[in-house]
Amino acid sequence: GQNIDQPTEMTATEGAIVQINCTYQTSGFNGLFWYQQHAGEAPTFLSYNVLDGLEEKGRFSSFLSRSKGYSYLLLKELQMKDSASYLCAVKVDDYKLSFGAGTTVTVRA
Amino acid sequence: DVKVTQSSRYLVKRTGEKVFLECVQDMDHENMFWYRQDPGLGLRLIYFSYDVKMKEKGDIPEGYSVSREKKERFSLILESASTNQTSMYLCASSFVGAVYEQYFGPGTRLTVT
Repeated sequence: GQNIDQPTEMTATEGAIVQINCTYQTSGFNGLFWYQQHAGEAPTFLSYNVLDGLEEKGRFSSFLSRSKGYSYLLLKELQMKDSASYLCAVKVDDYKLSFGAGTTVTVRA
Repeated sequence: DVKVTQSSRYLVKRTGEKVFLECVQDMDHENMFWYRQDPGLGLRLIYFSYDVKMKEKGDIPEGYSVSREKKERFSLILESASTNQTSMYLCASSFVGAVYEQYFGPGTRLTVT
């Protein structure tokens, strides 16, 4: 089976930084994806890591350590619109994604 | 822009009814997926298809079947709906290959009474 763990909830203030951790133990590894999902909407793609290190995309960065089975998503200069669930997902083969339960981030003014 | 559409946003069915959920994508993606999303459990894969008429079981296929007669369309069928199938159902599609992300439809919230 696949095991992907992330915190259930996080709260932060507008303008601050939040780091969402994700640890995984999976039968295969072909990369790690982060998705954002606003309430009542479809998940949308944020980032993809397959090699160790940091990938930066504007206010969002994602880090991967394959030897530790660990990733994080860093959200900088938080805005109210960043209030959403963030889903960590591992590509376990060429087709399938295995998802964590998601982290709900609440941004407060 | 990639578009994945699902036939209904909300659906209410009775126990024992046969239910069809339709998904259409317009990006010529080879792969299509059906997930259900439940609070605290995340997205769980029901079935996926990597080509027309091909299907593979995901992690929770029991009580479901699928059909893919055309490349752009993937249907999820609940042969005899039960109350434990009340959930949010999400369809997704992607190109073949590990690097390609999946694009999701808006979801169908199914309630079985």
